[in-house]
Amino acid sequence: RKEVEQDPGPFNVPEGATVAFNCTYSNSASQSFFWYRQDCRKEPKLLMSVYSSGNEDGRFTAQLNRASQYISLLIRDSKLSDSATYLCVVNIGTGGFKTIFGAGTRLFVKA
Amino acid sequence: DTAVSQTPKYLVTQMGNDKSIKCEQNLGHDTMYWYKQDSKKFLKIMFSYNNKELIINETVPNRFSPKSPDKAHLNLHINSLELGDSAVYFCASGSRGSGTDTQYFGPGTRLTVL
Repeated sequence: RKEVEQDPGPFNVPEGATVAFNCTYSNSASQSFFWYRQDCRKEPKLLMSVYSSGNEDGRFTAQLNRASQYISLLIRDSKLSDSATYLCVVNIGTGGFKTIFGAGTRLFVKA
Repeated sequence: DTAVSQTPKYLVTQMGNDKSIKCEQNLGHDTMYWYKQDSKKFLKIMFSYNNKELIINETVPNRFSPKSPDKAHLNLHINSLELGDSAVYFCASGSRGSGTDTQYFGPGTRLTVL
């Protein structure tokens, strides 16, 4: 079983749609959680951290369920510029000792 | 004023050669990383250094040897290159003590072994 699992997609959605990505992790020692975004042929960039209480950044909402070892990302009012691969990321141990990336979920937003 | 820089951006070489990739960060971070992203786009950690000391070595073949001359630099030397080494290699840096664990990635080095 992979340490971090994501639905690879692709998700094809129209502009303005709401889309949700899910991620599960297997290591209960996981300490911190993130969503990164990677555009084609570019480096990954932090989209947002994920906190236990859930957090929102504009159109993006992240949720964490430690009991179920489940992380989600919700994108509202999708824009063409949201088209990218979204990577679920888990740090195991404190201070970022080991970082595990999910394989990513591809999103295509079309006009 | 690039935060994390890598050179070269592209590297094409023959099997059996030895090559190096350089990485520098000007963010004042104490931790640096090397990742490999293969053709299936799966990003996997190779090494992690904290204050110039190796913290993580994820069962990478010993043909790969990282070197950290100081906290701002983490270079990757690869001996006897193989076809399977073809991938994009990303350097990243972060600050373990900051409480955020956010990592900042370089633009990547696209290595092609012929």
